[in-house]
Amino acid sequence: EPEVTQTPSHQVTQMGQEVILRCVPISNHLYFYWYRQILGQKVEFLVSFYNNEISEKSEIFDDQFSVERPDGSNFTLKIRSTKLEDSAMYFCASSELGSSEQYFGPGTRLTVT
Amino acid sequence: RKEVEQDPGPFNVPEGATVAFNCTYSNSASQSFFWYRQDCRKEPKLLMSVYSSGNEDGRFTAQLNRASQYISLLIRDSKLSDSATYLCVVNFAIDGNYQLIWGAGTKLIIKP
Repeated sequence: EPEVTQTPSHQVTQMGQEVILRCVPISNHLYFYWYRQILGQKVEFLVSFYNNEISEKSEIFDDQFSVERPDGSNFTLKIRSTKLEDSAMYFCASSELGSSEQYFGPGTRLTVT
Repeated sequence: RKEVEQDPGPFNVPEGATVAFNCTYSNSASQSFFWYRQDCRKEPKLLMSVYSSGNEDGRFTAQLNRASQYISLLIRDSKLSDSATYLCVVNFAIDGNYQLIWGAGTKLIIKP
């Protein structure tokens, strides 16, 4: 069964450093998403991406964040200068054209020290 | 206002029992509804999409009440492996675009 993959599974970084989280969505999916979940809290939408551009973003997705699809398979989330409060699980998801059913990757646990 | 509210939980239920969760949403124009389950420190996994007529998948039944703006999930003959957090997710229209809004989840603990 096709699945979304994410790397790394755990990233530890120092405050102020840049991090890039990587995702490989399901191959025939055309919509891609990033979510975050702070430990013990609800899943929060960050951004959606379609046709090589951002289609929607939340208030959380400020200038510190950017997304890119550098090639035909990868989808990345970059945090330019990490803050302590960026520590969370970051989930990538993808969906088919015309469907709201999103399938999630296993997540990257980001720890900012 | 965009909001999805769920039963607070945790629900402690004996194995074999039937358990029901409710979820209310604030946006009457919402079109799509989902139940996800999330195991501890794992990713959410799609359990069911919720259709307007209600739908059933084995031991799981989902129902939608548009007039009262709530969705329910019923689990029959609960198994130990059903222990997880159940997340209600609603597609909200925000400034002409749709965005999935997630409830905080209801924790279910099935006891032997």
